[in-house]
Amino acid sequence: QSALTQPPSASGSPGQSVTLSCIGTGTHHVSWYQQHPGEVPRLLIYEIFKRPSGVPDRFSGSKSGNVASLTISGLQTDDEADYYCCSYTFNTGNNYYVFGTGTKVTVL
Amino acid sequence: QVQLVESGGGLVRPGGSLRLSCATSGFILSDFGIHWFRQAPGKGLEWVAYIQHDGNLREYLPSVWGRFTVSRDNSKNMIYLHMSSLKPEDTATYFCGKDYDYSSDQWGRGALVTVSA
Repeated sequence: QSALTQPPSASGSPGQSVTLSCIGTGTHHVSWYQQHPGEVPRLLIYEIFKRPSGVPDRFSGSKSGNVASLTISGLQTDDEADYYCCSYTFNTGNNYYVFGTGTKVTVL
Repeated sequence: QVQLVESGGGLVRPGGSLRLSCATSGFILSDFGIHWFRQAPGKGLEWVAYIQHDGNLREYLPSVWGRFTVSRDNSKNMIYLHMSSLKPEDTATYFCGKDYDYSSDQWGRGALVTVSA
């Protein structure tokens, strides 16, 4: 089960936007998580573009073909973290989930 | 509030077995599927297993198929992950998480499993 491909790093200045890609997502069951060092992952996006309550609309998700994207608008210092995509994969006899390799976002 | 608390982690030799528990509270467990995830030290996230709200559907990461078994006891608000034939590459912090439309919106703090001779 190969991991989804994410760029290892991305950066931007406060107030700017950054878009993270995730290659290999075959279904619409795509989610995104944010993880600060030493912390538990936090759900940001589910089902490609839906936001759980409490997640600011600065975080938005989309998908085109097999590439999912997470855009963070109006970057804030607290956005500096690791971001992981996740996709549900259909496999005969046993479906499963695959995470991306993760992108470390740095706020300059 | 919603809480998930893992326990049962520890040091185990290669080929050994271990059972992790996930104690839940703050929600009706029988209404929700539960996931297990893991994260090796300094590495990324990996999904391990899922059990449907009633236990009728269980899904596994292919590399743990046949070695790990997920189960639940809704009457006790507990989820379990029984791990056998453990390998050094299974070393990780294991998290349980509440399902939320093919994702997980609430995670426990995790339990460390170390597989080493």
